[in-house]
Amino acid sequence: QVQLVQSGSELKEPGASVKVSCKASGYTFTAYVVNWVRQAPGQGLQWMGWINAKTGNPIYAQDFTGRFVFSLDTSVSTAYLEISSLKAEDTALYYCARGNSDNYHSADYWGQGSLVTVSS
Amino acid sequence: DIQMTQSPSSLSASVGDRVTITCRASQSISSYLNWYQEKPGKAPKLLIYAASTLQSGVPLRFSGSGSGTDFTLTISSLQPEDFATYYCQQSYSTPLTFGGGTKVEIK
Repeated sequence: QVQLVQSGSELKEPGASVKVSCKASGYTFTAYVVNWVRQAPGQGLQWMGWINAKTGNPIYAQDFTGRFVFSLDTSVSTAYLEISSLKAEDTALYYCARGNSDNYHSADYWGQGSLVTVSS
Repeated sequence: DIQMTQSPSSLSASVGDRVTITCRASQSISSYLNWYQEKPGKAPKLLIYAASTLQSGVPLRFSGSGSGTDFTLTISSLQPEDFATYYCQQSYSTPLTFGGGTKVEIK
């Protein structure tokens, strides 16, 4: 069955970097995109962007340009989100989700989320 | 960017009630509208895509309708496990955008 398993919680100091992983299984990794979605504490869902697992081309939402980088290692069916120069406002739950172009680009399978806490 | 406006932001309902949530897009998105359910401590779950297509495994009491700019999610008979927050999302163009969410609480 399709599964996306994300890396665990991270506690980082302001200015540091963090890399969140999202390991996919149960489907052909390169046939779909991987979405990244942020949920700040007590807030709604915010689409950060996606990376095409076939081409490696990323698309970033405007709020997530510069310090946010999506990457892939297709040999292990894993997508990554790296955030640099962390700020307190980056504290959030970060989800990866498979994007299915056959189903109107809906996010049909989600990881369990990775909590990133930025605090000194 | 396409703005998605959901209403209401919260509602109280009883088990067995019919519940309707609306979502409006700032421009036409054809049928590129998805609905998700989120429960505390759990990842969001896709309920409906393409405005009205039920994702596999989702109970038939959930339905979606609409096209263009106006969409609805209906729960025909609210069950205890349906108390959650619901989000619409447009996938017509990037950046994909979510509505603000509707929290369905127990009356």
